[in-house]
Amino acid sequence: DAGVIQSPRHEVTEMGQEVTLRCKPISGHNSLFWYRQTMMRGLELLIYFNNNVPIDDSGMPEDRFSAKMPNASFSTLKIQPSEPRDSAVYFCASSFGWSNQPQHFGDGTRLSIL
Amino acid sequence: AQTVTQSQPEMSVQEAETVTLSCTYDTSESDYYLFWYKQPPSRQMILVIRQEAYKQQNATENRFSVNFQKAAKSFSLKISDSQLGDAAMYFCAYRRMGSGGSNYKLTFGKGTLLTVNP
Repeated sequence: DAGVIQSPRHEVTEMGQEVTLRCKPISGHNSLFWYRQTMMRGLELLIYFNNNVPIDDSGMPEDRFSAKMPNASFSTLKIQPSEPRDSAVYFCASSFGWSNQPQHFGDGTRLSIL
Repeated sequence: AQTVTQSQPEMSVQEAETVTLSCTYDTSESDYYLFWYKQPPSRQMILVIRQEAYKQQNATENRFSVNFQKAAKSFSLKISDSQLGDAAMYFCAYRRMGSGGSNYKLTFGKGTLLTVNP
């Protein structure tokens, strides 16, 4: 079975550019999560979708960050404009429901903003 | 707010030996889940084992087992017969149980980097 698929695996771009990260959750999963991992702060939840609807975006750091889930099989996380402090590994995870099912993570996108 | 603490930034073990990784957490909830995730150099986050707080029996998964001490709020991971492929960062995580509220949120510890020596 295909797991959570994220693209790109690596992204290097210059400050000020728009960055779009993509995620395809596991088929049949109706909960999707975006996390950010840094050395300083560890793993942080950015936003949570249930049935394609954003439920909790309190972890989104600034208005420069936005996330969408236009359908059950696709989500994007966009940063515009990007800044060097956005450099991190961004993970997407999905689960069936959100209460008693574990979250399955993608391989992450390593983002470097120069 | 719930917090998860992993007091060992790094650990090492000889191949075929046993190692225990520590995790403590703070919560006022009585029902919750605890997890151990493994992150190898490939970066993927892999679920290793899960424990429901209402279960007294410690979870086991092949060479991986936990020592869950609810009163002490402790959740350690034991890896038996360590293999080179076990080398990774290990994260302990907590999630509330039940409907409503923010029980979808995983709270992670800072991680323990495990080295396996041949």
